[in-house]
Amino acid sequence: KQEVTQIPAALSVPEGENLVLNCSFTDSAIYNLQWFRQDPGKGLTSLLLIQSSQREQTSGRLNASLDKSSGRSTLYIAASQPGDSATYLCAVTNNYGQNFVFGPGTRLSVLP
Amino acid sequence: SQTIHQWPATLVQPVGSPLSLECTVEGTSNPNLYWYRQAAGRGLQLLFYSVGIGQISSEVPQNLSASRPQDRQFILSSKKLLLSDSGFYLCALTASGNTIYFGEGSWLTVV
Repeated sequence: KQEVTQIPAALSVPEGENLVLNCSFTDSAIYNLQWFRQDPGKGLTSLLLIQSSQREQTSGRLNASLDKSSGRSTLYIAASQPGDSATYLCAVTNNYGQNFVFGPGTRLSVLP
Repeated sequence: SQTIHQWPATLVQPVGSPLSLECTVEGTSNPNLYWYRQAAGRGLQLLFYSVGIGQISSEVPQNLSASRPQDRQFILSSKKLLLSDSGFYLCALTASGNTIYFGEGSWLTVV
């Protein structure tokens, strides 16, 4: 059974810092991995999607990497801003691309 | 682009009362639809998913049920709510791409 963990559970940094969020999964037979952002009391917004054949994806100040063989992904946020404060979740899908297994999330606070 | 509507956004229900959460989608046809629950401080738990009208797969045994009476409508129900049913319920869809899209969620508090 696929399990996804995220470290750290919470993170507080001053504005302007570069930071890394970690995601680990137990079964390397994934179809893809996605990173999401969730603001308090809201739904999830997809940030980046990495196919299992890819190593990384970039969007603006965000860069996500995937090491499928070791079951790890990282989300790198450059020059953090207070508006980046949210919970960040990663999720993997199985080889059929239907079932998404989510991690518990990392709650990020960027202090002005 | 796809749009997901969920209602009600917030509700408080007594233990033992029935539940009906509705989800409708726009901008896509024949999507895969999902119901997730997010308990406080925990990750998302997949409750049900549907690949078509009348086709429901349940991921966890519970006192909840789901139905898909139309291609773009997904309903989460319960005959008798438990305290443990409290949480944040999210409807989601996947279409032709690999990205999953979420609605804004429904907060359920069982008292």
